[in-house]
Amino acid sequence: QKEVEQDPGPLSVPEGAIVSLNCTYSNSAFQYFMWYRQYSRKGPELLMYTYSSGNKEDGRFTAQVDKSSKYISLFIRDSQPSDSATYLCAMKQVLRGKLIFGQGTELSVKP
Amino acid sequence: GAGVSQSPSNKVTEKGKDVELRCDPISGHTALYWYRQRLGQGLEFLIYFQGNSAPDKSGLPSDRFSAERTGESVSTLTIQRTQQEDSAVYLCASSPPELRTYNEQFFGPGTRLTVL
Repeated sequence: QKEVEQDPGPLSVPEGAIVSLNCTYSNSAFQYFMWYRQYSRKGPELLMYTYSSGNKEDGRFTAQVDKSSKYISLFIRDSQPSDSATYLCAMKQVLRGKLIFGQGTELSVKP
Repeated sequence: GAGVSQSPSNKVTEKGKDVELRCDPISGHTALYWYRQRLGQGLEFLIYFQGNSAPDKSGLPSDRFSAERTGESVSTLTIQRTQQEDSAVYLCASSPPELRTYNEQFFGPGTRLTVL
């Protein structure tokens, strides 16, 4: 079993829809949780970061972490075609440490 | 400012040959990471350098893989006797020395390696 599980999709939604992306994990030692966005043939870029449990909002994006369930989510409101990309969840145990990534979910937002 | 750069952007090699991949981190970043991303997969950790500390090599898949870093600058990842299963995008990331709340890793564009 992988440490981090993520549905690879692909996920296709109409413009303006609310998108929900999720990951589950097995290692309770993870404390730092990130969402990266990766466009085709580019390196990943950090989108959202959360420490421990809780919610964090940034514009149209909301990240949630539920450590009791070992479950993290990313919500995208009013999705735009420019949001079409692969979204990777990632987590780490210590501040300076290796990231453990999910498989990535490919999202397509249709105009 | 300049981001993380990697070279070459693409590399095609024959099975059994050795390859060297280069990473130039962001100036002043003390930490450097190598990851591998197979087609349709997430990133897989390979190795981590932090300043003058011994590197964390726990992700290297076999002794055919090795990496070096010169001080706090350039790093090279070497794969000896390449195999077809080594075909992947190899990504490098660096992070700054100050301990911010999340110590973000900044990624380069990757080197796409194809082993024929």
